[in-house]
Amino acid sequence: KQEVTQIPAALSVPEGENLVLNCSFTDSAIYNLQWFRQDPGKGLTSLLLIQSSQREQTSGRLNASLDKSSGRSTLYIAASQPGDSATYLCAVRQREYGNKLVFGAGTILRVKS
Amino acid sequence: GAGVSQTPSNKVTEKGKYVELRCDPISGHTALYWYRQSLGQGPEFLIYFQGTGAADDSGLPNDRFFAVRPEGSVSTLKIQRTERGDSAVYLCASSYYGTAPGELFFGEGSRLTVL
Repeated sequence: KQEVTQIPAALSVPEGENLVLNCSFTDSAIYNLQWFRQDPGKGLTSLLLIQSSQREQTSGRLNASLDKSSGRSTLYIAASQPGDSATYLCAVRQREYGNKLVFGAGTILRVKS
Repeated sequence: GAGVSQTPSNKVTEKGKYVELRCDPISGHTALYWYRQSLGQGPEFLIYFQGTGAADDSGLPNDRFFAVRPEGSVSTLKIQRTERGDSAVYLCASSYYGTAPGELFFGEGSRLTVL
């Protein structure tokens, strides 16, 4: 059974810092990995999608990497801003178990001004 | 529509009542998913539709939960004899499925509170 773990569970940084969020998964047989942002009381906003054949994806100040063989992904946020404060979730799309996404519990990020 | 739309955004009901939650996916998306999210947790898979049929309903917790998508677009999640433990945010997502699974887009969710 696929398990997704996110470390740290919570992170508080001053504005302007670069930071890294970690995601690990136990079964490397995945189609892709997706990073989401969730603001309090809101739905999920897709940030980046990395296909299993890719190593990384970039969007603005965000960069996500994928090392499928070791079951790891990182989300790098450059020059953090207070508006980046949210919960960040990673999810993997299984090969063997249909098309469901399996989510981690998320990292709660607070960027202080 | 421009995004995934879910109604109602909030639903408060009493234990034992019947509840329906509606999801209107992005136009043209063939795949539709229901997830449930409890406070402080990541979303948990409930059911996945490809077109009109439920391709995977392995996440439905018991037979009180049922979902339909009769015309391959709008879906309704139905919960019978609600229990307090059913309280959660119910999220719907859709994606285009071509030669491989595509990116999932989520709605804002329906927050269900069972008193």
